[in-house]
Amino acid sequence: GQQVMQIPQYQHVQEGEDFTTYCNSSTTLSNIQWYKQRPGGHPVFLIQLVKSGEVKKQKRLTFQFGEAKKNSSLHITATQTTDVGTYFCAGERSNDYKLSFGAGTTVTVRA
Amino acid sequence: ETGVTQTPRHLVMGMTNKKSLKCEQHLGHNAMYWYKQSAKKPLELMFVYNFKEQTENNSVPSRFSPECPNSSHLFLHLHTLQPEDSALYLCASSPAGGPSGDGELFFGEGSRLTVL
Repeated sequence: GQQVMQIPQYQHVQEGEDFTTYCNSSTTLSNIQWYKQRPGGHPVFLIQLVKSGEVKKQKRLTFQFGEAKKNSSLHITATQTTDVGTYFCAGERSNDYKLSFGAGTTVTVRA
Repeated sequence: ETGVTQTPRHLVMGMTNKKSLKCEQHLGHNAMYWYKQSAKKPLELMFVYNFKEQTENNSVPSRFSPECPNSSHLFLHLHTLQPEDSALYLCASSPAGGPSGDGELFFGEGSRLTVL
């Protein structure tokens, strides 16, 4: 079945630095969603990308969908302590629209 | 306030107990889901209901029994669970209810289950 792989599993970032988390699917996706889960919280929807090569920005967060619609990335600039949490990607399979979550990238920030 | 309310937030039960988790969504959505979240593992989809009908059972053991009496309420009945079933159980809803995909998921805060 479809697998969605996320790397890295853990990201330790100095406050103010940038980082990127990557999401790769074994099959073509109709869309990809990103969620953030704060420690002790629940996943919260951030964004959905649908078009090949699409790039969307939310303040310091930049989301990208690959040209082949098999991979995606989330880039955060000038990391802040409020960015702490686990970021999940979720890919929707293009043949049956089933959603598959990656294992997440857990981000910690050094002040 | 997420629009999706789960109770109880925490539950401790023995392996011989029977308990239920409840989920209620106030968003007018057509689809509801149960997910299991264990440490260091991806979110695992358990069940999907569209317009009150179960459309997916992801090979979940029969000791987990879902119930969806209407589009706003979803239950997960638990009996004779194992310690490895200890996890955070997340309910979610989405606007979609047809073949065009799940759409954005709105998660509840989860029910933290511990099986002794």
